[in-house]
Amino acid sequence: DAGVIQSPRHEVTEMGQEVTLRCKPISGHNSLFWYRQTMMRGLELLIYFNNNVPIDDSGMPEDRFSAKMPNASFSTLKIQPSEPRDSAVYFCASSLRPERSTEAFFGQGTRLTVV
Amino acid sequence: QQQVKQSPQSLIVQKGGISIINCAYENTAFDYFPWYQQFPGKGPALLIAIRPDVSEKKEGRFTISFNKSAKQFSLHIMDSQPGDSATYFCAASMEYGNKLVFGAGTILRVKS
Repeated sequence: DAGVIQSPRHEVTEMGQEVTLRCKPISGHNSLFWYRQTMMRGLELLIYFNNNVPIDDSGMPEDRFSAKMPNASFSTLKIQPSEPRDSAVYFCASSLRPERSTEAFFGQGTRLTVV
Repeated sequence: QQQVKQSPQSLIVQKGGISIINCAYENTAFDYFPWYQQFPGKGPALLIAIRPDVSEKKEGRFTISFNKSAKQFSLHIMDSQPGDSATYFCAASMEYGNKLVFGAGTILRVKS
């Protein structure tokens, strides 16, 4: 398996523009997580899905952020409008539940820069 | 509210030495404690994990020590190598939630 695939790897956009980050989880995994990593706040969970259903979005910072999972093999994280403080590395991770092991496999991340 | 506190922020160890990173948690409902390793430009990858029914788990040069009463756990890297230089994160989650709460991370540098 190719692992969790995220695209794009790098994104530079102007303030006010819409940004869409994409994630393809590992085939067969039924839980998907979006994390944000910054120097100031470390790794923060934004939202997670189980069987394509959003379970907990309490980490989503503002209404400007939205996430969807239309099917088991694809998820998006959208920021509209984007702001410079959204600059971070965004990770997608997937895991298999309800297995005993709760290992989450991370993608390589999308580095977002909002100028 | 920071639920998992990690220390130190950075660590420099000589090759062959022991690296020790400590974490403390607050939520007694946590029952899964993994350590993740992250290299620059990569996503975190699971290194080793422990559940609170054991006090120690060893995998090769990596050992987790767990103290349930103190709500603390630590990572020991024996015979540290330059290739171990990375950022290490402790984390915690509840069994059926699988929501990982991460510590702030420790940047480890192993000098050759």
